[in-house]
Amino acid sequence: EPEVTQTPSHQVTQMGQEVILRCVPISNHLYFYWYRQILGQKVEFLVSFYNNEISEKSEIFDDQFSVERPDGSNFTLKIRSTKLEDSAMYFCASSVPREPTGELFFGEGSRLTVL
Amino acid sequence: AQSVTQLDSHVSVSEGTPVLLRCNYSSSYSPSLFWYVQHPNKGLQLLLKYTSAATLVKGINGFEAEFKKSETSFHLTKPSAHMSDAAEYFCVVSDLTRDDKIIFGKGTRLHILP
Repeated sequence: EPEVTQTPSHQVTQMGQEVILRCVPISNHLYFYWYRQILGQKVEFLVSFYNNEISEKSEIFDDQFSVERPDGSNFTLKIRSTKLEDSAMYFCASSVPREPTGELFFGEGSRLTVL
Repeated sequence: AQSVTQLDSHVSVSEGTPVLLRCNYSSSYSPSLFWYVQHPNKGLQLLLKYTSAATLVKGINGFEAEFKKSETSFHLTKPSAHMSDAAEYFCVVSDLTRDDKIIFGKGTRLHILP
């Protein structure tokens, strides 16, 4: 069964360092998302991406964050200069072409720990 | 604007007894509603979804949810809990015809007592 895969599963980094989280969405999906979940808190929307551009982003997704789809298969989330409060589980998701059903398929997450 | 409220952050039930996880939503339009489950150290898995068809929706692992527009609720139920049901459950609302945001509830952690 097709699935969304994320790497790395866990990354530890020093504050101020750049981090790239990678996702391979399901191959025929066209909408891509990043969500994050700080430990003990709810899952928060970060950004959605369609047709090689951001279609929606939350207030969390500031200038420190960027996304791109560099090669038609990977979908990456970059954090330019990590802060302690960026420590969280980051989930990538993808969905089929836009339709009311809106089912998202999630990866298993990448846990980011900023020291 | 859309929002979703999960009324209980923790629910504990004994194995073999019924499960009820409550979810209320608000949406300006006709929403799609979902329940996702997250087992420890795992990703989010879709349990079931409501998309304006039948109001009683059956999902995987014996779970069901009923869409009640008059009560703006979408509570998740299961007749008999199993130890493997212990997980975090998220109620989700979306209206992808309007925007790309899919709003998660804060989650309910289900504990199963032996």
